[in-house]
Amino acid sequence: KNEVEQSPQNLTAQEGEFITINCSYSVGISALHWLQQHPGGGIVSLFMLSSGKKKHGRLIATINIQEKHSSLHITASHPRDSAVYICAATQGGSEKLVFGKGTKLTVNP
Amino acid sequence: NAGVTQTPKFQVLKTGQSMTLQCAQDMNHEYMSWYRQDPGMGLRLIHYSVGAGITDQGEVPNGYNVSRSTTEDFPLRLLSAAPSQTSVYFCASSPRGGSSYNEQFFGPGTRLTVL
Repeated sequence: KNEVEQSPQNLTAQEGEFITINCSYSVGISALHWLQQHPGGGIVSLFMLSSGKKKHGRLIATINIQEKHSSLHITASHPRDSAVYICAATQGGSEKLVFGKGTKLTVNP
Repeated sequence: NAGVTQTPKFQVLKTGQSMTLQCAQDMNHEYMSWYRQDPGMGLRLIHYSVGAGITDQGEVPNGYNVSRSTTEDFPLRLLSAAPSQTSVYFCASSPRGGSSYNEQFFGPGTRLTVL
């Protein structure tokens, strides 16, 4: 069983919809990362959080340490949001990142 | 700043050949790492370095060597390429403290095919 699990694996939405991607982890962590990988392949860091909530534009990331769960929300989704979203956790006491398998999001106009 | 650069972008090797994937960053980051990405699997850590002269193994180190002689460069060497090493390889860097405290900066990736 992967230590970082994402759901759903695939998600199709209509433009303007509110999107939620979930991430659960089974180990103690020091940080949780959300990354975006565009169809061209490049990977960009969206958020790094260890508690609470962070917001950047239409993107919101939350984490619940007690429940070992994080969510990435996209408000007013747009076709340019179509990408693979990856959750990754830094295990407590190490610098190593453990990655989920990613959620492929397609937003249709 | 160029950020994290990787060369080559694409490479085809024959089984048994050796090669070096190059990675460089101009942000004076101490932490650098190599990952491979395979279909249906998450990114997996191959090797990482917390500073010049210091390297350590990740989850899937077999068949790969690394060295870190400068802060800027972190090459990944394939000693004797095998078809199982066909993958997309990403290099990443972050400031001191690594991923516990900092976002990761990724290179554009190298797509390697081993025949």
